[in-house]
This record gives sequence, structure tokens and C-alpha cells, in this order.
Amino acid sequence: AQKITQTQPGMFVQEKEAVTLDCTYDTSDPSYGLFWYKQPSSGEMIFLIYQGSYDQQNATEGRYSLNFQKARKSANLVISASQLGDSAMYFCAMREGRGNQGGKLIFGQGTELSVKP
Amino acid sequence: GAVVSQHPSWVICKSGTSVKIECRSLDFQATTMFWYRQFPKQSLMLMATSNEGSKATYEQGVEKDKFLINHASLTLSTLTVTSAHPEDSSFYICSASRQGIAKNIQYFGAGTRLSVL
Repeated sequence: AQKITQTQPGMFVQEKEAVTLDCTYDTSDPSYGLFWYKQPSSGEMIFLIYQGSYDQQNATEGRYSLNFQKARKSANLVISASQLGDSAMYFCAMREGRGNQGGKLIFGQGTELSVKP
Repeated sequence: GAVVSQHPSWVICKSGTSVKIECRSLDFQATTMFWYRQFPKQSLMLMATSNEGSKATYEQGVEKDKFLINHASLTLSTLTVTSAHPEDSSFYICSASRQGIAKNIQYFGAGTRLSVL
């Protein structure tokens, strides 16, 4: 069964508008971490934002925020004021278990975001 | 964020030769490094987890003798593709993380594009 699901293969957004990229996850572990990465066409994976399963507040990092709905097992990424440089592939990922115990990441299939001028 | 260097960024080799890819954590000690493979327009597939001073843990279906991993120090892991064939052509990317930290974010290298002729 898919542990991380990104249902939007591609998304378009107008420059300066906000956009939400969906991510749902499935785990029975009470301790887990959720991550979003950006992958431009150059291939590098850029860490954007992290949400721990016990975090009470939604994570924010500049123009990025994570809409964490634990009961629904969703961790949507919100990008505000989109810029042309935001055009890239975006991956949602999950790590099961406590962070200080290490643990591999499980990635979703990705969403390709295109920002229109 | 932490810096992970991956070298080379791209390599072309003849079928039957071996190729070594290096992954270095530049500003932190990485007790664990991960090696991924990515096909065009697809997600990252974990190949193996590399722990400093011990044998790597390979994911199901990944040939240990084909993809040799060595994590000789806290800042360096290498992936050697032995007797490479055209089907090994892919994008290989490594990541590194620090244990003992709750977030335990994986920071990625820029990736290596391997083309086997």
C-alpha cells in the first residue's frame, strides 16, 4: 500500500498567487516526521519544511507553510506569493520512528508545479 | 541548511567498466547516508542505507555486488557501480543526516547522472 500519496501529477499557478500541493500519508507509528523537498530541473533535492508528528503548530518557513491535519493524515504544502523560480517538482516524504533513531524516507510520486507569468 | 557534496555530477562510461560516486557531508558528521536512484519523471527509490563503520543495508531487489557502498568516515560515503551496463544508466543521488537530532533532516547532494554506453 502507498504510504505517501500525492494525487496531483501537475499543477499550474499564476505568479504571485498561492498554491496548495496535496500530500496524504499512512502510518501506524505514533512518531513520524513529514518533509517537503523541491527538485528543480537541475536535479538537486532542496529541503523546504519539516513537521513532526507531535508538533502542535503547523510548520512555516518563509513563503512555505505546511497544513498538517493529523486526523486526516494529510500534510499539504502551501506556497504563498508564487514566483517563477518555484517551478519545479515537489516531493512529500515521511520518516517513521523518532528522528534521533535515524530512519529512511519514503517519498511520494511528486507534483510538478509550473508558475505562469 | 547543511551542505552535501556529490561528485561527479555526470559521468559517461563504457559498458563493463566500474564507476565510483562520492558523497561528502561538508559541515557536519553524517553517521548515516542514503543512496537513491531516480528515473526520469519518477520518484526517488532508496537503494541502500550506509552507516559509518558498518555494512550497508540494501533495499529489496538491489544487488549488493552490483552497487558497492563504503562509508569509511563520518563525512564520506561512496557508491561504486560495478561492471556497469546500459540499464544502470540513471540519476543517482545521496543524502546525509545527523543522528541524535529530533528533526533528523536528510540533506541531499546535487546528484550524479550516469550514462552507460
